[in-house]
Amino acid sequence: GALVYQYPRRTICKSGTSMRMECQAVGFQATSVAWYRQSPQKTFELIALSTVNSAIKYEQNFTQEKFPISHPNLSFSSMTVLNAYLEDRGLYLCGAKQGGSDYTFGSGTRLLVI
Amino acid sequence: QQQVRQSPQSLTVWEGETAILNCSYEDSTFDYFPWYHQFPGESPALLIAIRPVSNKKEDGRFTIFFNKREKKFSLHIADSQPGDSATYFCAASAESNYQLIWGSGTKLIIKP
Repeated sequence: GALVYQYPRRTICKSGTSMRMECQAVGFQATSVAWYRQSPQKTFELIALSTVNSAIKYEQNFTQEKFPISHPNLSFSSMTVLNAYLEDRGLYLCGAKQGGSDYTFGSGTRLLVI
Repeated sequence: QQQVRQSPQSLTVWEGETAILNCSYEDSTFDYFPWYHQFPGESPALLIAIRPVSNKKEDGRFTIFFNKREKKFSLHIADSQPGDSATYFCAASAESNYQLIWGSGTKLIIKP
């Protein structure tokens, strides 16, 4: 079956530092990868969507300068949170899909900023 | 503006009752409507989904009712069990852009 491994599961970083999270798709080709953030007590906000052969599209309030994303092949994607501050804490989720299939989500990376 | 509205914010029902969660949307290009559940500390998992070609989708105790004209869809959980207690999210997407827009979530508590 389709699986997405996301790591790390949990991370703590000091305010102003950066952290990187990765997702690995297994059993399918991740032609599209979406990165979401769930802030405390909130729903999932789309950060950006990466589709092969297209530029990475960032949603309003999120920028490449703050959340650079790499999607170098059909099985891997990473996202970095640069200069993390308190408001960046939450659960970061990657979702991958092949064509018109359902999204398969990773287990999430919970970011705590101290 | 793309938006998916979800209600209620929280819902408590007794074991064995039917829990009903509601969502509505605005963008008529949406053509895929999944429901996810999320247990504390975990990522969301797909529960059931529907496309506009039908107005009802069943999977065991879970049923989606879809009303294209009113742009509404709901999740009915029949014979609810304490293990169904979780936060449920509806979502919507359009095949053309692959974006998944999430509802705000419903925290469901099933009392034994």
